[in-house]
Amino acid sequence: GENVEQHPSTLSVQEGDSAVIKCTYSDSASNYFPWYKQELGKRPQLIIDIRSNVGEKKDQRIAVTLNKTAKHFSLHITETQPEDSAVYFCAALRGAQKLVFGQGTRLTINP
Amino acid sequence: DVKVTQSSRYLVKRTGEKVFLECVQDMDHENMFWYRQDPGLGLRLIYFSYDVKMKEKGDIPEGYSVSREKKERFSLILESASTNQTSMYLCASSLLSWRLDNEQFFGPGTRLTVL
Repeated sequence: GENVEQHPSTLSVQEGDSAVIKCTYSDSASNYFPWYKQELGKRPQLIIDIRSNVGEKKDQRIAVTLNKTAKHFSLHITETQPEDSAVYFCAALRGAQKLVFGQGTRLTINP
Repeated sequence: DVKVTQSSRYLVKRTGEKVFLECVQDMDHENMFWYRQDPGLGLRLIYFSYDVKMKEKGDIPEGYSVSREKKERFSLILESASTNQTSMYLCASSLLSWRLDNEQFFGPGTRLTVL
């Protein structure tokens, strides 16, 4: 079955710098890759996603890239702000409706 | 605005007790999910339901069962709670769609402690 590995587990960056979180997946049939953000004490929420027929997608300061050949995808956050501090989860769609999540990355933005 | 609610934010139970966690969504979603969240392990799928009375095992179903008698409600049952089931439990829902890129909407979570 599908397996998703996420790195790093923790990431600390200075406010204004960029942050990158990487995920690899095992099932080449996976075709949808969302990213969820979970702020402290709150529920996870979708922030961006990408389908397998697209190499990159951008939404303001966040972007996701996908390399199908290497089976990895990454989240890029530019000009980081304090409100970007959260736990981020990548995921891959397994089967018709089920997501497999990565282990999570705790991102801390230092002022 | 999708709303997914869970019956309790915090729950403390004793080993061996039967525990019910309830989840309700108000957007007529076909799919409902139960996850447990543990530090360093991410979100792991316990059970999944795509229709009333339909259920499918996830990655860690042992020690759990589920019930979906109504479309809007999905219950997670711990038949005999054990200390290793102490965790945060998250419910989610999504549309059943041919697009296959359905956002999952999460509830606020139930932090369960088994003593």
